[in-house]
Amino acid sequence: GIQVEQSPPDLILQEGANSTLRCNFSDSVNNLQWFHQNPWGQLINLFYIPSGTKQNGRLSATTVATERYSLLYISSSQTTDSGVYFCAPSTQGGSEKLVFGKGMKLTVNP
Amino acid sequence: DTAVSQTPKYLVTQMGNDKSIKCEQNLGHDTMYWYKQDSKKFLKIMFSYNNKELIINETVPNRFSPKSPDKAHLNLHINSLELGDSAVYFCASSPPRGRGTGELFFGEGSRLTVL
Repeated sequence: GIQVEQSPPDLILQEGANSTLRCNFSDSVNNLQWFHQNPWGQLINLFYIPSGTKQNGRLSATTVATERYSLLYISSSQTTDSGVYFCAPSTQGGSEKLVFGKGMKLTVNP
Repeated sequence: DTAVSQTPKYLVTQMGNDKSIKCEQNLGHDTMYWYKQDSKKFLKIMFSYNNKELIINETVPNRFSPKSPDKAHLNLHINSLELGDSAVYFCASSPPRGRGTGELFFGEGSRLTVL
């Protein structure tokens, strides 16, 4: 199956800093999603982005499917951005076969 | 208002017991899932149902039995609980292909602790 690698595994930032999270995957994808798991355990869907670029407030994501990677940008980070970020690609179009990466733990200090 | 809701949120039980977790979604989605998240935060799919029909069963012990009475509900029953079953179990749903972008929506999770 598809292999997923996220980097860096851990990141500590001061509030206001910017960061880039990277997701490499081993196969062509028809679906890729980014999720944020907050410190209370809730899993929130951030982006559905099998290709191209999307922006939502301070967050944006870019997937370059031909080069098999996706990036999540967080600008002007806030303490509420803390948590674990997961990348989940799939070779299929639906969400049935998403494969989750190991996650990247982000800590934003005030 | 909750889109995907699970009950109970916390479950503490003894080894050997049987327990169930219920899940309901009000998003009108056709596909529902159970995921298991272990202590290292690794998320792995267990089951997927599309319109009450099982479509994915990922080498889960047969002590775990999902049941979907209708497309808005997917329950998980676990028999003869073992210590290794301790984890957070997430229910999720996604829209049918061709309607929406295939995004996955998670419930709040049910933390199961087996003593």
